[in-house]
Amino acid sequence: NAGVMQNPRHLVRRRGQEARLRCSPMKGHSHVYWYRQLPEEGLKFMVYLQKENIIDESGMPKERFSAEFPKEGPSILRIQQVVRGDSAAYFCASSPESRVYEQYFGPGTRLTVT
Amino acid sequence: QKEVEQDPGPLSVPEGAIVSLNCTYSNSAFQYFMWYRQYSRKGPELLMYTYSSGNKEDGRFTAQVDKSSKYISLFIRDSQPSDSATYLCASDMRFGAGTRLTVKP
Repeated sequence: NAGVMQNPRHLVRRRGQEARLRCSPMKGHSHVYWYRQLPEEGLKFMVYLQKENIIDESGMPKERFSAEFPKEGPSILRIQQVVRGDSAAYFCASSPESRVYEQYFGPGTRLTVT
Repeated sequence: QKEVEQDPGPLSVPEGAIVSLNCTYSNSAFQYFMWYRQYSRKGPELLMYTYSSGNKEDGRFTAQVDKSSKYISLFIRDSQPSDSATYLCASDMRFGAGTRLTVKP
């Protein structure tokens, strides 16, 4: 049973470019969560999605960031016009239904903005 | 004020010691409490979760929640070098900063 998959594992973008991070949840999981982790800091919640629905986006920056979880395919976190401060590890987690206490994390995507 | 506060450590103990990791949270509406273990450059791994005050035991690990004082604890008995990692407490979808633990042989 494959775990949560994220790709790419490493992504380098120049300032002003777009970054697209993908997350495939565990089989049977319909809820996806995105987090950002800066060096030596904990995970910061960004957004919580169900298929075709954003449940909680209270942690998402108001500009340049968006997320979706379509009916078919992976969840995507999109960062437009990246800046150096966006450099971080981005983790995706999934859970069965709405069991926010049972999240299983992927290996993360490390974004570097040059 | 952060919603979940956790002492970042680092914490270093000898093999076999009992480890106590602690967090506090500020939002009395939080319902779920979790502990994750994260090895360097890996994703967090769920260790335990609970949604009530009291203790929950799983092998060498015991999670404790006191909702009246908004206090969360994780105890590790007979600690092993393989337990060396960063431990993250979480409540609902809010995480502490993590405590880095080293267990020395």
